[in-house]
Amino acid sequence: QQQVKQSPQSLIVQKGGISIINCAYENTAFDYFPWYQQFPGKGPALLIAIRPDVSEKKEGRFTISFNKSAKQFSLHIMDSQPGDSATYFCAASKGNNDMRFGAGTRLTVKP
Amino acid sequence: DTAVSQTPKYLVTQMGNDKSIKCEQNLGHDTMYWYKQDSKKFLKIMFSYNNKELIINETVPNRFSPKSPDKAHLNLHINSLELGDSAVYFCASSNSIVDEQFFGPGTRLTVL
Repeated sequence: QQQVKQSPQSLIVQKGGISIINCAYENTAFDYFPWYQQFPGKGPALLIAIRPDVSEKKEGRFTISFNKSAKQFSLHIMDSQPGDSATYFCAASKGNNDMRFGAGTRLTVKP
Repeated sequence: DTAVSQTPKYLVTQMGNDKSIKCEQNLGHDTMYWYKQDSKKFLKIMFSYNNKELIINETVPNRFSPKSPDKAHLNLHINSLELGDSAVYFCASSNSIVDEQFFGPGTRLTVL
């Protein structure tokens, strides 16, 4: 059973727009929520991560919003660029073992 | 300098064969993992090794066996390969203090 549900499956955004990807989790024991970015032919790479003691974390154009009561978190990419076109995975884990990934969102940013 | 490396990058083989994928990390991490990414891009953890002990073993067929000769290496052996084993396999590593997992470039396995 999938413990982390991610939506949408695919997303097309114009250059300069905001990309929003949503995830929901079930296990309240999860205490680490990363987002990974994967380009074709490459391994996933950590983009940004959050812990449940904060509701928002921002790094450059990337922001995670976290809603503990709703068991949801989302990734916002401001001023989206063609170079952001990739597959994005949310994940959740307790500690750094047994990380559960969402199904992925393929983002396309059109010039 | 490659942090997590895997060999080979591509592996094409016949059904029923036995194959191995090697993984090495030079980050000094104490935990290593194997993930399987299927054709729909879904990433699923297969194994996790911490200080040479298996700490996660998902419902993976026993045809798959991880072997860790030392903290920097975690190899994946697959016996009696099946068509459904075709996928991209990623090795990853992490430090028990910091949660970030670092992924290798992947090995695309094709079983004919």
